[in-house]
Amino acid sequence: AQRVTQPEKLLSVFKGAPVELKCNYSYSGSPELFWYVQYSRQRLQLLLRHISRESIKGFTADLNKGETSFHLKKPFAQEEDSAMYYCALSHMNRDDKIIFGKGTRLHILP
Amino acid sequence: GAGVSQSPRYKVAKRGQDVALRCDPISGHVSLFWYQQALGQGPEFLTYFQNEAQLDKSGLPSDRFFAERPEGSVSTLKIQRTQQEDSAVYLCASTSGPPLYYEQYFGPGTRLTVT
Repeated sequence: AQRVTQPEKLLSVFKGAPVELKCNYSYSGSPELFWYVQYSRQRLQLLLRHISRESIKGFTADLNKGETSFHLKKPFAQEEDSAMYYCALSHMNRDDKIIFGKGTRLHILP
Repeated sequence: GAGVSQSPRYKVAKRGQDVALRCDPISGHVSLFWYQQALGQGPEFLTYFQNEAQLDKSGLPSDRFFAERPEGSVSTLKIQRTQQEDSAVYLCASTSGPPLYYEQYFGPGTRLTVT
């Protein structure tokens, strides 16, 4: 079964502290992994995707195929990082739907 | 340029009523997706169009749900005989190609409340 699991519904982190949002997936095949973010009163938007190997707003995510994980990390949290974060996957080579996790709300404490 | 737009933004329907939700994708985007997001959940796939062809409707929860995109641009999601469990935010997304390489741009959503 195709599934994305985000074990934390809410994560509170002090400003300046490191952030790690956990994501595990279950997929039979070659998935592409994404992180989406939704800031307050804004629409859902792509934060980063594995294939790009890029760092956006200081966030990075490493794909660990052995552990089937794609955790999102940032070394120093900023207040503007407070948002809802969704881990997601799609099939590698098809124009296909995206499967989302349930999301983790990140709350940065001052 | 303009992003994906959806209307209405909010809809309250009495149980048993039919509703129609509209999505205007980004101009020129070939692919269009509908997702349902219940409270406290992530978006869940409903259906997918490539131009006017509905290539995947595996996520539609029942035959009360119907989607169309007759001219390959605007899409309408119709829910017949609404039930309370249909209450959710309905998201539309469009993209110019596979999500592997092309970002899916999401609309603001339509919040449907069935009373």
